[in-house]
Amino acid sequence: AQSVTQLDSQVPVFEEAPVELRCNYSSSVSVYLFWYVQYPNQGLQLLLKYLSGSTLVKGINGFEAEFNKSQTSFHLRKPSVHISDTAEYFCAVSQNTGNQFYFGTGTSLTVIP
Amino acid sequence: NAGVTQTPKFQVLKTGQSMTLQCAQDMNHEYMSWYRQDPGMGLRLIHYSVGAGITDQGEVPNGYNVSRSTTEDFPLRLLSAAPSQTSVYFCASRQGGGSPYNEQFFGPGTRLTVL
Repeated sequence: AQSVTQLDSQVPVFEEAPVELRCNYSSSVSVYLFWYVQYPNQGLQLLLKYLSGSTLVKGINGFEAEFNKSQTSFHLRKPSVHISDTAEYFCAVSQNTGNQFYFGTGTSLTVIP
Repeated sequence: NAGVTQTPKFQVLKTGQSMTLQCAQDMNHEYMSWYRQDPGMGLRLIHYSVGAGITDQGEVPNGYNVSRSTTEDFPLRLLSAAPSQTSVYFCASRQGGGSPYNEQFFGPGTRLTVL
């Protein structure tokens, strides 16, 4: 089974500052990587995904993530955050074998005015 | 195109009661799944289905039943509710039963409290 680690449970950051949300996964077999965002009292929305090819992936709302196979990481970044980015962010991994998504425990991003 | 819909949005049960959480999707997705979300634990898979008539257990299946008689619907049944089942439940779907590279689309969730 796969395990997904999001080391930071809470990340406070000032408005217009950069942010990085970290995600590491356990398995080195072929994986597909996803970042989802959950706004308060809503379901999850896809921010971006990595399937293959370029290791830098761009998503919606100015977010991007970099796949690092050697470090089994898929960190999410944004160069300048807005108040509206305040939300819970989940990293998820799936793999060629099996039919399950494995989610991290989430990182709560709070943007401070 | 409504996407993934869930009913009810909120539910309060007493211990021992049973109920069914409804989930429907109108995207003709083969794969559907149920998750529960608890503070500090992320989303944990309860059951999933790769097509009509096919279901399988996820990480935390105990106390829950599912069936998939149509492509559109994937209800989750709580057989005898317990306080430990207090949680937010999300249904999700994706295209392709065996396509782990496709994203999942999530419903808005059902907030369940068991007293």
